Amino acid sequence: QVHLQESGPGLVKPSETLSLTCTVSGGSISGYFWSWVRQPAGKGLELIGRIYTSGSTNYNPSLKSRVTMSVDTSKDQFSLQLSSVTAADTAVYYCARGVALDYWGQGTLVTVSS
Amino acid sequence: DVVMTQSPLSLPVTLGQPASISCRSSQSLVYSDGNTYLNWFQQRPGQSPRRLIYKVSNRDSGVPDRFSGSGSGTDFTLKISRVEAEDVGVYYCMQGTHWPQSFGQGTKLEIK
Repeated sequence: QVHLQESGPGLVKPSETLSLTCTVSGGSISGYFWSWVRQPAGKGLELIGRIYTSGSTNYNPSLKSRVTMSVDTSKDQFSLQLSSVTAADTAVYYCARGVALDYWGQGTLVTVSS
Repeated sequence: DVVMTQSPLSLPVTLGQPASISCRSSQSLVYSDGNTYLNWFQQRPGQSPRRLIYKVSNRDSGVPDRFSGSGSGTDFTLKISRVEAEDVGVYYCMQGTHWPQSFGQGTKLEIK
């Protein structure tokens, strides 16, 4: 069974960069897209973007100027960086497998506050 | 961007009764390969989303057969034949045909 686990700081200051890592276990990281989705409290789901294990990326145009994703297949990890954060970026951040999001992590709450 | 519109947004259902959620897209979801990339997710309170249905009508492993998906083009439906207490939560449709992938607003299913 594939397991995904997000990790990273739970509190980020405004204007700084949010950095999260997703560690994949129970299956190979290779040969798949890996996605990031976020959900503000009490609201719906928003796809941030995805990365293939080759390093090829697709970012949501609404966030593209601030998003960077990377993958480290040797560690079975992929990462998200979101720059110049504001309070509007406060959300639970999920990592998920594939284009069709068949496996999800438990999510991690990131709060943007000084 | 493709806009996904779900209805109703709130769905009170009596235990044992059927439930139906509609999802409409602003563009056809038929991809150039002939597939339609429309998925359904369930998010129980306090949990991560869980995929129930992929490519319109294919149930994921472990999903009870009381869940079914149907539709084509721009009009899709998730049906629960007999609602059980564990079905409480928010249901989202998501299109994967056009970039960026997009979700519906969510439908909150509750027990009457």
